[in-house]
Amino acid sequence: QSGLTQPPSVSGAPGQKVTISCTGSSSDIGAGSDVHWYQQTPGTAPKLLIYGTNNRPSGVPDRFSGSNSGTSASLAITGLQTEDEADYYCQSYDSSLSGSWVVFGGGTKLTVL
Amino acid sequence: QVQLVQSGAEMKKPGASVKVSCTASGYTFTRYYIHWVRQAPGQGLEWMAIINPSTGSTSYAQNFQGRVTMTRDTSTGTVYMDVSSLTSDDTAVYYCARDSVPAAQGHFGMDVWGQGTTVSVSS
Repeated sequence: QSGLTQPPSVSGAPGQKVTISCTGSSSDIGAGSDVHWYQQTPGTAPKLLIYGTNNRPSGVPDRFSGSNSGTSASLAITGLQTEDEADYYCQSYDSSLSGSWVVFGGGTKLTVL
Repeated sequence: QVQLVQSGAEMKKPGASVKVSCTASGYTFTRYYIHWVRQAPGQGLEWMAIINPSTGSTSYAQNFQGRVTMTRDTSTGTVYMDVSSLTSDDTAVYYCARDSVPAAQGHFGMDVWGQGTTVSVSS
């Protein structure tokens, strides 16, 4: 049902770097629509992590960064910390006027080993 | 501080309707779009609808067209979401969330989220 495709899970050791991919189509990311990323820990509401592809809201560490290329986007987390263990979602906008205008990825569970 | 406070948990039977509220505070209510996003147990985020609190204009995901109604009350700074013909598939946590920039500046993600409202549908 999700409009964007993410890997179900990724993992890394403390201090390492991980990357989470988000694959869209020519009607969303490929059409130039902005990509945003959210972090969600169990039992809590999502938190905006990255907006407009690679901008961090106040308070988000610069260990988190985003990028786009063609119909895909990526979230990179460097210097992994145990508190980074969470679910991560990408979000964009579908210009095709069918389905849903706001589209989310299915989410990626990050495990810090 | 800026916050969205949602109404409490609901338990409904199949075929019934539910109305969830989301009350904004700490900012000018009419300046920022509000979304509804739901999350079924163990599942991802699903966008449902958006409202411009200033004009009342709405847009719905195709999956919910005709079954979901989003309204607002500018006098209380509250947004409502009404879901009808509930089935067990509607069991989820429902979140309201605010756009991160004022309506005139476009859309740059959702920066303020309500605490979530659990809606359970069971016979």
